[in-house]
This record gives sequence, C-alpha cells and structure tokens, in this order.
Amino acid sequence: GDSVTQMEGPVTLSEEAFLTINCTYTATGYPSLFWYVQYPGEGLQLLLKATKADDKGSNKGFEATYRKETTSFHLEKGSVQVSDSAVYFCALIPDSSYKLIFGSGTRLLVRP
Amino acid sequence: NAGVTQTPKFQVLKTGQSMTLQCAQDMNHEYMSWYRQDPGMGLRLIHYSVGAGITDQGEVPNGYNVSRSTTEDFPLRLLSAAPSQTSVYFCASRLTGEDEQYFGPGTRLTVT
Repeated sequence: GDSVTQMEGPVTLSEEAFLTINCTYTATGYPSLFWYVQYPGEGLQLLLKATKADDKGSNKGFEATYRKETTSFHLEKGSVQVSDSAVYFCALIPDSSYKLIFGSGTRLLVRP
Repeated sequence: NAGVTQTPKFQVLKTGQSMTLQCAQDMNHEYMSWYRQDPGMGLRLIHYSVGAGITDQGEVPNGYNVSRSTTEDFPLRLLSAAPSQTSVYFCASRLTGEDEQYFGPGTRLTVT
C-alpha cells in the first residue's frame, strides 16, 4: 500500500547550519507530496507541497523537490534558525484519493 | 474565520467511560477527518467524511464512532475508552478538489 518513510530524529543542529530531512514514498501513479510542520503545542500547518514530478515546493526558506525517479521529497533549508525547532511530517495524497498519508515525523532541534 | 476548532484541549477518562471530542470548522469545507498522533507513528486516519451525511472508516476506526449531520461539525465518539486510546487527536478539514488540509489545535486524551 501507499506509505511514507522519513529519517528518524531527533535532528540537532546549530543555528545557521544546513538542514536536510529525508523522505521517500511508496505509491502508484503520481501522488501529491507535502511537508507539514508542527510547532510545540500546536496543530499541523502546511509548509510546502509539490503536485507533479520535478516540481519544487518552497516556503519560509525551506525547499523540497518531487523526484519521481528516486521516489523522494527531501526537505532542505540553507540556514536554520532556533524558531525552526519543530516536528516535520512528510505526507502524500495518492492518485484518485483524498486521504492524506503521513510519515512518522522528524523532530528538529536548533541550538543557538 | 476561526478555522478548525476542537474541544476540549485536555481530557482524562477512566477505562470504560464514553465521551465525545468536538470538532467544528467555519470555512464551508466538505471534507473533514480525524487523526490520532502517537509517538513514532505519525498521524493515523481514524474516520473521515466527504460531506454531511457521509462518513467512512480510515486506518484505525475500531472503538470510535462519527457522524456528520452538518457541514460544520464532525464529532468523534469514544464508546468505551481503553488505555490504548491515550493519544493526541487532531481534526482536519479541506475543500474538495484542494490539497491543503487545515488542522485543529488537538485534544490530548489520557485513559487510565
């Protein structure tokens, strides 16, 4: 079945470091891909998305590129801030579906 | 717009008790869903609805009931609480044909 696999956390970085959080997926056809972020004590918010192969989603300095050939959607940011500390979820909506399928989440901790 | 609201924020139940988690949205979204979030497991879909009067099961529906009598409200009922239902519950909604889901702030439930 359709699924999402994320790297396990926590990921601990110093401020201004480069961030990569890996995400790979299993799905038939062309799913839509998403990154959601959950700040402490809050619900999830959409961070970025990509709906077709080679699309790049970007928001707040974060980027992810839809790679069909490697079934990946890795999240990157060039210079993280303390305020980026949160849990990041990769997710997909399969073709012809409306169900959002989540990965297990990766906690990011950024130290000053 | 208030967005997606959930009540209560916190709840403690004894095994065997029943309760209803409330969810409401004021964005006229047709699609609403309930997820539970457990450590290391991401968010798992419990039940969803594509419109008033229509509900269906998600990945982990056992022990939960839902109904959708209006577009705005989508309550989740625990019939006889069990310790395995200790979790954080999120309600979400979106417009049909749109990708982005909007999440409520969550309800933290503890069953003793």
